[in-house]
Parts: sequence; structure tokens; C-alpha cells
Amino acid sequence: QSALTQPASVSGSPGQSITISCTGTSSDVGGYNYVSWYQQHPGKAPKLMIYDVSNRPSGVPDRFSGSKSGNTASLTISGLQAEDEADYYCSSYTSSSTRVFGTGTKVTVL
Amino acid sequence: QVQLVQSGSELKKPGASVKVSCKASGYTFTRYAMNWVRQAPGQGLEWMGRINTNIGNPTYAQGFTGRFVFSLDTSVSTAYLQISSLKAEDTAMYYCARDNTYGYGVDYWGQGTLVTVSS
Repeated sequence: QSALTQPASVSGSPGQSITISCTGTSSDVGGYNYVSWYQQHPGKAPKLMIYDVSNRPSGVPDRFSGSKSGNTASLTISGLQAEDEADYYCSSYTSSSTRVFGTGTKVTVL
Repeated sequence: QVQLVQSGSELKKPGASVKVSCKASGYTFTRYAMNWVRQAPGQGLEWMGRINTNIGNPTYAQGFTGRFVFSLDTSVSTAYLQISSLKAEDTAMYYCARDNTYGYGVDYWGQGTLVTVSS
């Protein structure tokens, strides 16, 4: 199972919106509405930000939103803030009943 | 509150074995599967597999079969990851993470256990 493809880096200024893509195949992202997104700050454990493509766990700001079209899922951060600077990973359920992570995206707030 | 507390860092020689523990508290241990995730230094997350904490059956990702074993001790709400015949490339942070209550994904993570393999 190959890792899902994410851009290595995305940047934006405070207040702007950015979108991170996560591309898989019909055997993972495209086949199920089971995509989640994680935020990881340096030296910390990841944190769940989005589950089931577009649902936010309690406590996650509504600046974070998720969507999916075909084999590509996306995470959008609106009103970018300094504390959003982190690594972000997508994850999908697969047709083998396993899970797979994306390659990861470093978000920089300019 | 839900907590996953992992065992401390390990320094091992090549060829040795290591067993990492993940003690859960704040919820019914057998209601949620436990996942294991590896992160090599400076690298991304890799899903290693998961274990059904109710019936104990594990699922391993490709690349994590043979030397990697997931196990449980439900009497103390603890999951274990054992790695045998350690290699330098096993040097990584290993996380346990609980299945999400409300949908796909994992919602609680342990703090991570750094395993260093060096002669």
C-alpha cells in the first residue's frame, strides 16, 4: 500500500486560506468516505483534526474544514493563524481493511 | 479523561528485541481498537496496524509482518508492541493511538516511545 500523495509544503500569510491536497486511488480515498486529517507540532504526538472526510472533533476550530472529490481529499485552513504552523497528514481506510497515511505537508505561516 | 501512557525510551543493539507498552485509562479498554504508528526521525507517519482489543486479533500493514507483534493484557488495560531482530532502520518513535469514538481515524494518542537501535 503506497502512501497517499500530499504536497511537501504549503505556506500562507496570517488571515489567508490555504488548502492541502491528499491524492490516493479508488482503493482508498476514492472508495470510502473514511478520510481523516492530523496536525503534528514538532516533538508532539499528532492530533485528530478531521474525521470521515469533513467532520470536526469537539474542540477543533471551525477554521479547519475537509472535503473530497474523486480520489483527492482536501483540508482547508481559513483565517490562517501562527499556531497553525505544523505538519499535516491525511489518512484513509483501504480496500484491504488497512489504513494508510499521506506523505505529510509542512504548513508555514509567513 | 482518556489517557494513553507509553513506556519510556529504549536503546537496543541490533538483533535484540524490544517490547513497548501502552497503558490506557479513562475508558473501557475493550471497546476501541488500538493502532500502532511509526515515525522515523524526520520522516512521516506510517500505520503499522491495529489490534481488536475485544477479541485480540491483530491486523498488520505491509512491511510490518514477521518481526512485529501486537498483544494485549486486558486485565491491566495495556497494549504491547514487540519488535524482534531489531535493525538500525527500526530506530523511530512508536505511537499507540485509539480508534476514534465517532468515526474513522484515531482520536487519542500516546506520548510516543523512542526506540533507538545502535551498536
